Amino acid sequence: EPEVTQTPSHQVTQMGQEVILRCVPISNHLYFYWYRQILGQKVEFLVSFYNNEISEKSEIFDDQFSVERPDGSNFTLKIRSTKLEDSAMYFCASRPPRGSQETQYFGPGTRLLVL
Amino acid sequence: AQSVTQPDIHITVSEGASLELRCNYSYGATPYLFWYVQSPGQGLQLLLKYFSGDTLVQGIKGFEAEFKRSQSSFNLRKPSVHWSDAAEYFCAVVPTGTASKLTFGTGTRLQVTL
Repeated sequence: EPEVTQTPSHQVTQMGQEVILRCVPISNHLYFYWYRQILGQKVEFLVSFYNNEISEKSEIFDDQFSVERPDGSNFTLKIRSTKLEDSAMYFCASRPPRGSQETQYFGPGTRLLVL
Repeated sequence: AQSVTQPDIHITVSEGASLELRCNYSYGATPYLFWYVQSPGQGLQLLLKYFSGDTLVQGIKGFEAEFKRSQSSFNLRKPSVHWSDAAEYFCAVVPTGTASKLTFGTGTRLQVTL
């Protein structure tokens, strides 16, 4: 069964450094999402992406964040200058075209630790 | 404001006992409803979903959920819990017919005693 994959599984970085989190969505999916989960808290939406542009973003998704689909398979989240409070589990999700299964499928996550 | 409430932060049940996890939502119209499970250190796995039709939906691992429009609820149930069901369970919603974001509840941590 197709799965969403994410790399790396864990990343440790110094405050102020740039990080790029990578995701490979399910191949025929057209909608892509990033969520994060700070330890012990609920899962929060960051951004959604469709047709090569951001379709929706939360107030968390400020100028330090960006997303890109550099080729036909990868979907990346970049944090330009990491802060301590960016430490969280980051989940990528993808969804089939509208009119079919309206379900988001999640990757296993990347645990980011900012020191 | 749209919201999802899981009133139970932590539930402990004995193996073999029945389970019900509560979820209530507040939306202008009935949204699409989901339950996800997260095992320790793992990602989010879809257990089941409700879009329309039969209000009792079956999912994986023996779970089911019942949608009650009058109560704005979508409670998750399992007749007999196994030790491997210990995990965090999240209820989530998305507005009907959209590709919008999922809004998650705060989660219920399930502990299973032997």
